[in-house]
Amino acid sequence: GESVGLHLPTLSVQEGDNSIINCAYSNSASDYFIWYKQESGKGPQFIIDIRSNMDKRQGQRVTVLLNKTVKHLSLQIAATQPGDSAVYFCAETGSSNTGKLIFGQGTTLQVKP
Amino acid sequence: DTGVSQNPRHKITKRGQNVTFRCDPISEHNRLYWYRQTLGQGPEFLTYFQNEAQLEKSRLLSDRFSAERPKGSFSTLEIQRTEQGDSAMYLCASSLVDSYNSPLHFGNGTRLTVT
Repeated sequence: GESVGLHLPTLSVQEGDNSIINCAYSNSASDYFIWYKQESGKGPQFIIDIRSNMDKRQGQRVTVLLNKTVKHLSLQIAATQPGDSAVYFCAETGSSNTGKLIFGQGTTLQVKP
Repeated sequence: DTGVSQNPRHKITKRGQNVTFRCDPISEHNRLYWYRQTLGQGPEFLTYFQNEAQLEKSRLLSDRFSAERPKGSFSTLEIQRTEQGDSAMYLCASSLVDSYNSPLHFGNGTRLTVT
């Protein structure tokens, strides 16, 4: 079946360091991917997206890389700050054209001061 | 605040009772989604609407669950005869589809506890 998974459940980094969160997806038909950040008690917050015709997209302090050959997605956060501490989810569209997203289990990012 | 709004934020109910949640999407968004999230897991798709039409329902959505979106604006999710396994965070999201892909914008959810 369709699934999106993350390699590590928890990532701990020092404040100021760069963070890399990885995601593996299984559906080669997925053509749109999104990273979300979720803080405790809140809904997922959109960070950045990428379409399958791209392999890299940059935002403010964040970069998403897409490797379709190995079905791998990563989120890089530059100069990680305490406010970046949260659970991060990658999501994909799968083979559906309804716009619905399939989420992985999430990676908890802990930023040490 | 022009984001997705969900009410109530928290709901505690006894097993067997009915509950209803409301979602107000971003005003110009034509698609609305309901998801369920349990502790430590990613959100799971339940159902979605395009305008007022409910176009897809997950197999997770048992007969005790019903969702509506009258007039294509706000939406309600009702759970009848609640069970302890229904305890979860219920998330609503909306999107504007003017092209094939667009991000879903989520509300802060309704946390349901069934005792």
